[in-house]
Amino acid sequence: DVKVTQSSRYLVKRTGEKVFLECVQDMDHENMFWYRQDPGLGLRLIYFSYDVKMKEKGDIPEGYSVSREKKERFSLILESASTNQTSMYLCASSLPGQGLFGGNIQYFGAGTRLSVL
Amino acid sequence: TQLLEQSPQFLSIQEGENLTVYCNSSSVFSSLQWYRQEPGEGPVLLVTVVTGGEVKKLKRLTFQFGDARKDSSLHITAAQPGDTGLYLCAGGGGGGKLIFGQGTELSVKP
Repeated sequence: DVKVTQSSRYLVKRTGEKVFLECVQDMDHENMFWYRQDPGLGLRLIYFSYDVKMKEKGDIPEGYSVSREKKERFSLILESASTNQTSMYLCASSLPGQGLFGGNIQYFGAGTRLSVL
Repeated sequence: TQLLEQSPQFLSIQEGENLTVYCNSSSVFSSLQWYRQEPGEGPVLLVTVVTGGEVKKLKRLTFQFGDARKDSSLHITAAQPGDTGLYLCAGGGGGGKLIFGQGTELSVKP
């Protein structure tokens, strides 16, 4: 059974703290993604990685960075957490490229609900 | 920029009722996916529609892809409380990425 595991379900941090969100997948997928989910806004892509040490900015990268040192692990870093980064964070993985029909299936973790006080 | 717009955003119905969720775009997509996200979990793929006019059925759920491949719909027959969740449509955004609609929050009351 495919699995994407996010290290924490809930996190509470203080403004200005450095925050690490970890994600591990066991499917040997090349692509990994970090999304932010807010009510009424759907899933917004923060960063995307298509290979080890390779990354690409998504739609809302400001205030975030990422690290992919190993194929199975993709970390999201909030350098200095702010209250407007309170949100649900979802990690996903998929096979490489566009897939046969233009969009590969993405497999998601259960999410990390982050509160920044 | 490709966008996917879903409607309605919220839907609260009684068990046994039928409902339809719409996913619309001004852009053509080579395929569209539908995901369901249950409370406290990540989204899980329900179906991918590929051919214009295609209809796919998954038990009481019927998915349709528009002839022009710009829109899709999800119809649920005789909704049950277990159908409660967030329904998301998604289309290929290029480079292996997906573009997601805003989601439709469905609540089915017993």
